[in-house]
Amino acid sequence: NFLLTQPPSVSESPGKTVTISCTRSSGSIASNYVHWYQQRPGSSPTTVISENNHRSSGVPARFSASIDSSSNSASLTISGLKTEDEADYYCQSFDNNNQGVFGGGTTLTVL
Amino acid sequence: QVQLAESGGGVVQPGRSLRLSCAASGFIFSNFAMHWIRQAPGKGLEWVAVIWYDGNNKYYADSVKGRFTISRDNSKNTMYLEMSSLRPEDTAVYYCARERWFGSFWFDPWGQGTLVTVSS
Repeated sequence: NFLLTQPPSVSESPGKTVTISCTRSSGSIASNYVHWYQQRPGSSPTTVISENNHRSSGVPARFSASIDSSSNSASLTISGLKTEDEADYYCQSFDNNNQGVFGGGTTLTVL
Repeated sequence: QVQLAESGGGVVQPGRSLRLSCAASGFIFSNFAMHWIRQAPGKGLEWVAVIWYDGNNKYYADSVKGRFTISRDNSKNTMYLEMSSLRPEDTAVYYCARERWFGSFWFDPWGQGTLVTVSS
């Protein structure tokens, strides 16, 4: 199995851009889809990005994502930050043994 | 609309068993793989198990293998998680989620979760 490593927290000002990384420990990041979820306090996670870079229905175009084979990582970028973007963000993939893998989560603070 | 509703959570003593249910509505349940995912208090998400659309294939996280059993009843649009030999570290909110399309491991949507507390 592999690990997905995210920074525990990031913070940025309203209107700015922030990027959250998700680094795969072994095997290629491109081997299996990476999905991104947003979880606000007291709520269930919801999809922001699926299948590496597809924005989910209703998610603003300010959200984008990509994968980078050279760094073996995925990234979620949020531009034009709003206070409503404050939440925990999780990357997630799966292995060839049909087991899901989550990153540790990143708390985004918009201050 | 697509809805998932978990039930069955509660307080249970270490070593005992508990069964969770996930009732699905708004989609053709028998066409989709389904997952359980948990979140310990104040912690991150942990994938627990998956069952394929026909119930014939099941896979588990190493942390629960041999203790938890996932199952489904497509006639009742319901998935289950039978948890045995429970440990304090199994304390978590348990979510069920639909796999959006087979093989994607994309969880969408999620239920509201049910809290399991393992404590004496």
